[in-house]
Amino acid sequence: DADVTQTPRNRITKTGKRIMLECSQTKGHDRMYWYRQDPGLGLRLIYYSFDVKDINKGEISDGYSVSRQAQAKFSLSLESAIPNQTALYFCATSDAGTSTYNEQFFGPGTRLTVL
Amino acid sequence: GENVEQHPSTLSVQEGDSAVIKCTYSDSASNYFPWYKQELGKGPQLIIDIRSNVGEKKDQRIAVTLNKTAKHFSLHITETQPEDSAVYFCAASIRSNYQLIWGAGTKLIIKP
Repeated sequence: DADVTQTPRNRITKTGKRIMLECSQTKGHDRMYWYRQDPGLGLRLIYYSFDVKDINKGEISDGYSVSRQAQAKFSLSLESAIPNQTALYFCATSDAGTSTYNEQFFGPGTRLTVL
Repeated sequence: GENVEQHPSTLSVQEGDSAVIKCTYSDSASNYFPWYKQELGKGPQLIIDIRSNVGEKKDQRIAVTLNKTAKHFSLHITETQPEDSAVYFCAASIRSNYQLIWGAGTKLIIKP
């Protein structure tokens, strides 16, 4: 089984709808991240969480919210989806370890289309 | 704000030749520089990283070099193989908030 799973894998929705993307991990990592990927722009960080009670905004948090329900679960919500939120969304995890920066393990991605 | 520029956006090389991808960063406090490989339909996967206390790191056919004075780092792949075809991303740390800033990616094509 995959260590980092994302549901759904694909989603098509309409402008104004509320959408939730879910991420689960079995790696036992404390740190979790949500990124979006757009062609030609690389990965941009939306939110990150270093433990269940720690939630931080990333580079592009406007229009998004998150919930860290447990160490293993981190959900991303679009309260009112708009077309420019059409993108590929990735969840990632990393171990806290002794270093500030450690390898991030990515899920398979969720392709979201907002019409 | 902090920025990472990556070049080229597409690189096509003959199988067996070497490939070099370059990145520059703007935050002089950056001290961690990973490289990720993304295969079609999958999430990125770390292939090599370097910290600011070293200038070069090798792992079999892959090497990364870092020039902190010039604020640039490069990925070198030797003896390229078809399975090296993918999109490669560089990233640099931002000390102030523990984030990574990512380059736009390089699509590497290995021609048979």
